[in-house]
Amino acid sequence: TQLLEQSPQFLSIQEGENLTVYCNSSSVFSSLQWYRQEPGEGPVLLVTVVTGGEVKKLKRLTFQFGDARKDSSLHITAAQPGDTGLYLCAGAKGGTSYGKLTFGQGTILTVHP
Amino acid sequence: NAGVTQTPKFRILKIGQSMTLQCAQDMNHNYMYWYRQDPGMGLKLIYYSVGAGITDKGEVPNGYNVSRSTTEDFPLRLELAAPSQTSVYFCASSYSRTPQAGELFFGEGSRLTVL
Repeated sequence: TQLLEQSPQFLSIQEGENLTVYCNSSSVFSSLQWYRQEPGEGPVLLVTVVTGGEVKKLKRLTFQFGDARKDSSLHITAAQPGDTGLYLCAGAKGGTSYGKLTFGQGTILTVHP
Repeated sequence: NAGVTQTPKFRILKIGQSMTLQCAQDMNHNYMYWYRQDPGMGLKLIYYSVGAGITDKGEVPNGYNVSRSTTEDFPLRLELAAPSQTSVYFCASSYSRTPQAGELFFGEGSRLTVL
């Protein structure tokens, strides 16, 4: 059973387009992280959100944590080929399980020049 | 900066063989983790450690063992390899359990094939 469902699983777009990746769960998370992974490498943290309704922006990337802390989204504005990669959301349950993240299955993004 | 170092990067095993995946970090992190990544399945936690001498099972521990004798090293042992253990294995570390400081630093992964 996948506790965190990401959609879409695959996204192929042209440079300059906007896109949104969703991460949904029926469970409440104390915090949620987004990672980006390139082929042959480990995931690298993009952002951590901890407050329901929180919005964080990193240049062209906007991350939102749902009010009920069950879902999150990643929006990329004017995508560039350098944004190509696997995007993973990961949730922490809190308490003694902060470091034990539950990962979504990932979204493979391809941005064509 | 070395960060998290995993060896080997690639390995082919025959069914029933055993091996150890090595993981070392030089960031003095207390928390270390082993994840496996299968296509379309994200990452699943195998084992984790909150400090030297302390380890615990994650979501998919069967067929694996770990030890943590030092802060730096967290090897993953595969006993009696099975085809279902074909995967990419990632070691990670973090320095705090709190969300804001709980960034996981990952190694580059070890790709294991069991034939």
